[in-house]
Amino acid sequence: QSVLTQPPSVSGAPGQRVTISCTGSSSNIGAGYDVHWYQQLPGTAPKLLIYGNSNRPSGVPDRFSGSKSGTSASLAITGLQAEDEADYYCQSYDSSLSGNWVFGGGTKLTVL
Amino acid sequence: QVQLVQSGSELKKPGASVKVSCKASGYTFTSYAMNWVRQAPGQGLEWMGWINTNTGNPTYAQGFTGRFVFSLDTSVSTAYLQISSLKAEDTAVYYCARYDFWSGYSNGWFDPWGQGTLVTVSS
Repeated sequence: QSVLTQPPSVSGAPGQRVTISCTGSSSNIGAGYDVHWYQQLPGTAPKLLIYGNSNRPSGVPDRFSGSKSGTSASLAITGLQAEDEADYYCQSYDSSLSGNWVFGGGTKLTVL
Repeated sequence: QVQLVQSGSELKKPGASVKVSCKASGYTFTSYAMNWVRQAPGQGLEWMGWINTNTGNPTYAQGFTGRFVFSLDTSVSTAYLQISSLKAEDTAVYYCARYDFWSGYSNGWFDPWGQGTLVTVSS
């Protein structure tokens, strides 16, 4: 059971907008720690998608955006494309005894 | 470019040991901490811990103490993960990932990641 909770799956048609939530608690997101997002394409290593809640690394399309509020964060993908089909993970820091850096359980995005 | 290249897949018997390497290039190795992340088959990402590349001091997450050892060879910009007394449940892909941050050490992220090393434990 992950410290950060994500929906197991989301889906959308090409061109649509989807959002993936990441719910934490007062010891991680709610404590003010930043949230970061990773994309893992099938059979590949995770890749940084969003850092510092809402910042895109160079090369990441502006179709991807992140936000954070209270104890939750969200990743939004607009103009969905077939190549966006992947697993997405959120990550933050947790100040409790459960560990230091923590990941969400991951969300499988299916492009219909 | 900044790159982490890991050693190849391993097939080990229960009780054996394995050592995974992660060679960094394109940046000053000792300027960034190195983390290790496990991904069991069909499962999510699990943070294993990190090693301070300046001091060599490792920190292990809960569940990764005792049989797991992080080490370095700074002369060749390489981090290592050694797992001893392997069990079937250690079967997973192991990733190294560089740690970066900008506003407070705890607010960092992992980038880039190595390509992953599949460790299979089977008799």
